[in-house]
Amino acid sequence: DQQVKQNSPSLSVQEGRISILNCDYTNSMFDYFLWYKKYPAEGPTFLISISSIKDKNEDGRFTVFLNKSAKHLSLHIVPSQPGDSAVYFCAASAQKGSSNTGKLIFGQGTTLQVKP
Amino acid sequence: DGGITQSPKYLFRKEGQNVTLSCEQNLNHDAMYWYRQDPGQGLRLIYYSQIVNDFQKGDIAEGYSVSREKKESFPLTVTSAQKNPTAFYLCASSSNPGRWNTEAFFGQGTRLTVV
Repeated sequence: DQQVKQNSPSLSVQEGRISILNCDYTNSMFDYFLWYKKYPAEGPTFLISISSIKDKNEDGRFTVFLNKSAKHLSLHIVPSQPGDSAVYFCAASAQKGSSNTGKLIFGQGTTLQVKP
Repeated sequence: DGGITQSPKYLFRKEGQNVTLSCEQNLNHDAMYWYRQDPGQGLRLIYYSQIVNDFQKGDIAEGYSVSREKKESFPLTVTSAQKNPTAFYLCASSSNPGRWNTEAFFGQGTRLTVV
């Protein structure tokens, strides 16, 4: 039972354009969402997060949008750069009282390729 | 310089042998985690520990064992009972056992290949 889903395995965009990575979740107990970036044979590095009390969080070129009613979040990268090429993981966490307390549940990942 | 260290980076073992992956952190984090990455499946939780001398099974604990005798160490043993042990293993730690937050970090991973 996949609680966090990234339905697009890959995405290719031109340098300078916008990259939009999508993520859906099923568990309404999730209240904190994070995006991680990962290069091959390395550990994921934290990119940006959003709490369920917000619908948008921005950090430089990266913006995460959260639509709680649709249980959907997206990561926007503007402008996209070749160095952004990596695998992006969406992840969700729940507060205390949930069976997912303390855990981070990951999606399958989306491989982003930014072409020069 | 604080961080998480996983060793070794690459590990080869013969089928039927147990193997232990090391994970050490000097961040003074209470919680530690082991994830496994397979192509197309994202990161799946194997075991996690929110405090010393305590740990819980994750989603795919079968064929694995862990210990948490020290705050800074959380070794993972891949036993011969694990059907498909070849994978990329990631260790992580978090400052807040009850809530994964941005103060959570991953190690660089160990690529285990069983032949």
